[in-house]
Amino acid sequence: EPEVTQTPSHQVTQMGQEVILRCVPISNHLYFYWYRQILGQKVEFLVSFYNNEISEKSEIFDDQFSVERPDGSNFTLKIRSTKLEDSAMYFCASRPPPSNEQFFGPGTRLTVL
Amino acid sequence: KNQVEQSPQSLIILEGKNCTLQCNYTVSPFSNLRWYKQDTGRGPVSLTIMTFSENTKSNGRYTATLDADTKQSSLHITASQLSDSASYICVVSAANSGGYQKVTFGIGTKLQVIP
Repeated sequence: EPEVTQTPSHQVTQMGQEVILRCVPISNHLYFYWYRQILGQKVEFLVSFYNNEISEKSEIFDDQFSVERPDGSNFTLKIRSTKLEDSAMYFCASRPPPSNEQFFGPGTRLTVL
Repeated sequence: KNQVEQSPQSLIILEGKNCTLQCNYTVSPFSNLRWYKQDTGRGPVSLTIMTFSENTKSNGRYTATLDADTKQSSLHITASQLSDSASYICVVSAANSGGYQKVTFGIGTKLQVIP
């Protein structure tokens, strides 16, 4: 069964460094999402992406964040200058039209030291 | 402001017993409500999805209900198994123009099933 994949599973970085989190959505899906979950807290929406542009973003998704779909398969989240508070699990999700169901990847655990 | 409240925060039940988890929401305009199961350190996995017109949806031992008038949903787990131990998250989507979804997550109910 097709599934969303994410790499790496765990990323450790120094504060101020740039990180790129990678996701491969399910192939026939057209809507893509990034979420984060700080340890012990609820999942928070970051951004949605459709037709090669951001369709919606939350207040968390500031200028330090960017998303890209560089080719037909990858969907990336870049954090330009990481802060300690960026430490969290980052989940990618995708969904096919016209379904309402989003399929989540296994997540990338980002640790900022 | 769109909000999703879940109760209880945590629950411990004996294997084989039933349980019901609650979700109240203030999301408008309502599009759909989903229940997810999230194992520790893993991504959420969808259990059920309900739109405005659906009152009940089942997926094996999981049965979700939706009362769109009172803006409440419940997830009933029958004959619980040890593998049901996880967080159960209620997620409500608001309809936006262009078909995009604005999604609000609940904090989840942490269920522990013990032998």
